[in-house]
Amino acid sequence: KQEVTQIPAALSVPEGENLVLNCSFTDSAIYNLQWFRQDPGKGLTSLLLIQSSQREQTSGRLNASLDKSSGRSTLYIAASQPGDSATYLCAPDKLSFGAGTTVTVRA
Amino acid sequence: GAVVSQHPSWVICKSGTSVKIECRSLDFQATTMFWYRQFPKQSLMLMATSNEGSKATYEQGVEKDKFLINHASLTLSTLTVTSAHPEDSSFYICSAPGQGALESTEAFFGQGTRLTVV
Repeated sequence: KQEVTQIPAALSVPEGENLVLNCSFTDSAIYNLQWFRQDPGKGLTSLLLIQSSQREQTSGRLNASLDKSSGRSTLYIAASQPGDSATYLCAPDKLSFGAGTTVTVRA
Repeated sequence: GAVVSQHPSWVICKSGTSVKIECRSLDFQATTMFWYRQFPKQSLMLMATSNEGSKATYEQGVEKDKFLINHASLTLSTLTVTSAHPEDSSFYICSAPGQGALESTEAFFGQGTRLTVV
């Protein structure tokens, strides 16, 4: 069974700082990995999807890397803004989720 | 991206009653949909995979008679919590993969349903 760990569980930074969110998973035989954002009491918004054949994916200020062999993915958020405050979840193959990293960006 | 609409967004019901939650893919067809449950400050737990025209596949430990899933069309899946009890209170979320091979596509999520059983 796939187990997903996200570190840190929570992160608080001043506006403008870069964020690094880590995700590790135990079963490296995955097709893809997806990063999501969840606001309190809301559903999930897809941020980035990385196929197993890719090493990274970028969208605006977001960049996600994938090292499938070591079971790791990292989400980088550049020049953080208060609007980036949310919980970020990673999910290998859509079926298993980490507990998330709750980010607070202070103005 | 594709849109998945989930309804209702919140519901309060009395213990012993049943509640139906709908999940619709608005601009694409979804032969498969996923249902998750999320407890406060915890991650999503996959409950079942809903398959259009056939029976749902339930994860281990999920009671299929309690959580009835119907996927009657290519754009609608429903989850019915039968004889609800306070311990069923949770956040329920559905998702549908986009077009293409199931394994490689992006997942799109509904807005979630907050169920409170009193």
